[in-house]
Amino acid sequence: LAKTTQPISMDSYEGQEVNITCSHNNIATNDYITWYQQFPSQGPRFIIQGYKTKVTNEVASLFIPADRKSSTLSLPRVSLSDTAVYYCLVQRDTGRRALTFGSGTRLQVQP
Amino acid sequence: DAGVIQSPRHEVTEMGQEVTLRCKPISGHNSLFWYRQTMMRGLELLIYFNNNVPIDDSGMPEDRFSAKMPNASFSTLKIQPSEPRDSAVYFCASRPDRDLVETQYFGPGTRLLVL
Repeated sequence: LAKTTQPISMDSYEGQEVNITCSHNNIATNDYITWYQQFPSQGPRFIIQGYKTKVTNEVASLFIPADRKSSTLSLPRVSLSDTAVYYCLVQRDTGRRALTFGSGTRLQVQP
Repeated sequence: DAGVIQSPRHEVTEMGQEVTLRCKPISGHNSLFWYRQTMMRGLELLIYFNNNVPIDDSGMPEDRFSAKMPNASFSTLKIQPSEPRDSAVYFCASRPDRDLVETQYFGPGTRLLVL
């Protein structure tokens, strides 16, 4: 499995755009990039997944450059409720596989 | 849909006691996963099942831990005897095989404290 590296923590203010970058230098051809969000006292929750270029949903955008060695999760106009830990995962195609979580990025949004 | 259901939500027990954690996956989901989360080790997989069959139990710490999935709607994780180092939040997650993306749905977790 490809190892991921992301910042331990980030701070932001309400209304700002937050970009969290994840490095995955040894990503393989069949690997997908997935981001999960975990609020205190809750289980992780799927946010977004992509393979290349850009993916956008109602929650976030995911930018993946051509070499796929990194990815950036973009949260537009964060609010206090976006305070959480964000995990970047690299998973081998699809199938009945377990997730390997790293340390994640703890995002603190201030008023 | 009620989501993944776990019980109990909190458990406090004494060292040496048996602890049983329960999970009801989302109806129709074929795979079920047990994870453990601690400050020191983060989120780590313990075991996962597909169609009620254990596929990978390499994350189970030792023989004190056992997991079963007698049917598609129920799984248990048992610790016997429990030790203080087992204190953690235990999450159950499920996913349907038909999903093309690797999306798992996590339950609220069971917070276990072994004194």
